[in-house]
Formats: sequence, C-alpha cells, structure tokens
Amino acid sequence: DIQMTQSPASLSASLEEIVTITCQPSQGIGNYLSWYQQKLGKSPQLLIHSATSLADGVPSRFSGSRSGTQYSLKINRLQVEDTGIYYCLQISSTPWTFGGGTKLELK
Amino acid sequence: QVQLKESGPGLVQPSQTLSLTCTVSGLSLTSNSVSWIRQPPGKGLEWMGVIWSNGGTDYNSAIKSRLSISRDTSKSQVFLKMNSLQTEDTAMYFCARKRVFDYWGQGVMVTVSS
Repeated sequence: DIQMTQSPASLSASLEEIVTITCQPSQGIGNYLSWYQQKLGKSPQLLIHSATSLADGVPSRFSGSRSGTQYSLKINRLQVEDTGIYYCLQISSTPWTFGGGTKLELK
Repeated sequence: QVQLKESGPGLVQPSQTLSLTCTVSGLSLTSNSVSWIRQPPGKGLEWMGVIWSNGGTDYNSAIKSRLSISRDTSKSQVFLKMNSLQTEDTAMYFCARKRVFDYWGQGVMVTVSS
C-alpha cells in the first residue's frame, strides 16, 4: 500500500498569511493526487485534483503543485473560512490512501 | 444537480453485519463510480472500496474479506455490506462520486455497541 506522509499535522496562521501543506507518497503516484478541506461536522470538499487542477467553485487562492515526489497545497492570503482539516489523497493505485490530515487554525 | 445520500442503521451490535445505502440523483451509476469512505470519530479518512461504472469493484485489502459493495442501477442506489463488525468500525460512513470524490454525501454515523 502507498503511504501518504502529510505535514504538518497542525498549523496556526494569521489572516492574509500564506500557508503550505505537503504530502509525500511512499512511492511514485504521478499526478494522481487530490486535496480536500473538511470543516467540523461536514463532509470533505474537493479543492484540487490531478495535483494541480483547481476544482469547480474553489477560490483561486488555493493552488496545488508538485516538485519531484512531493506535493503541496498552498493557500494564498488565508481567510477565516479556510480553517478546518486538510487531507491529501492518492488515487494512483488501490487501496487509495489519504494523508493523516493537517488541522489549520487561525492565530 | 448531483446529490448523494447515505442511509442505514445508527447502531449495530458487535459481530453483526452493517448494511448501508447510498442513493444518488443527478448522475447515472453506469457512467460514474461511487466509493465508500469512513472516518472514526476524531480521526482521519479511510477509503473502503469502489464500484466502477461497469459494475466492477475494488476493495481496501485491510477490510476486503468483510466487505461487499453492490448496486441497483434502476434505483440509483449503491450498497455497502460489511460483516463481523467490531467497535473499531464505529465511524461516519460517506459515499462519494468518481475517482476524485468531487461530490460527497452528508455521511451516516454508525456506532458498533452492544
């Protein structure tokens, strides 16, 4: 199984700050990576698919990138509504596996 | 408008079988895959398995021996059955569309307890 190492586990940032979350797979996954945001008591919401493609309706301050085998989610100009838990997911090979999550709070 | 909605019993006894239904609207099951994902309280997400648009299935090897996913395309429903439930199976269970999980249901909470 492919392990997804996500970091940091938690993060506190200020309004308008730039935030970066990373995921490192245990083996190659190409661009088969998605990012999700989950708010308390809600279902996860797709932010990014195919490593870099913004999902429909997602604000442009969210972006995804890949550098070698490391994948990143970047939030430009953090807003109040961006708090929550973020997960990466690899869909390169089954079992599809999620990262452990990053809890993002406002400082 | 694409919608998915999970339904099922909120409480299941240990060693019993869990049966859940995901009812979809605004999409065809013959053109879309549907996955089941679960989340224990306060923990992360675990992909359980998928039923593809052609009716084929793939399962998480960790629970494959206990899990079955099927569908009724005429009723726009996807079913999950998992046997030999234990307390660690207590979780919120979600269904989601396609490989990128672009649409999710609201989830159904299942508690395994006697």
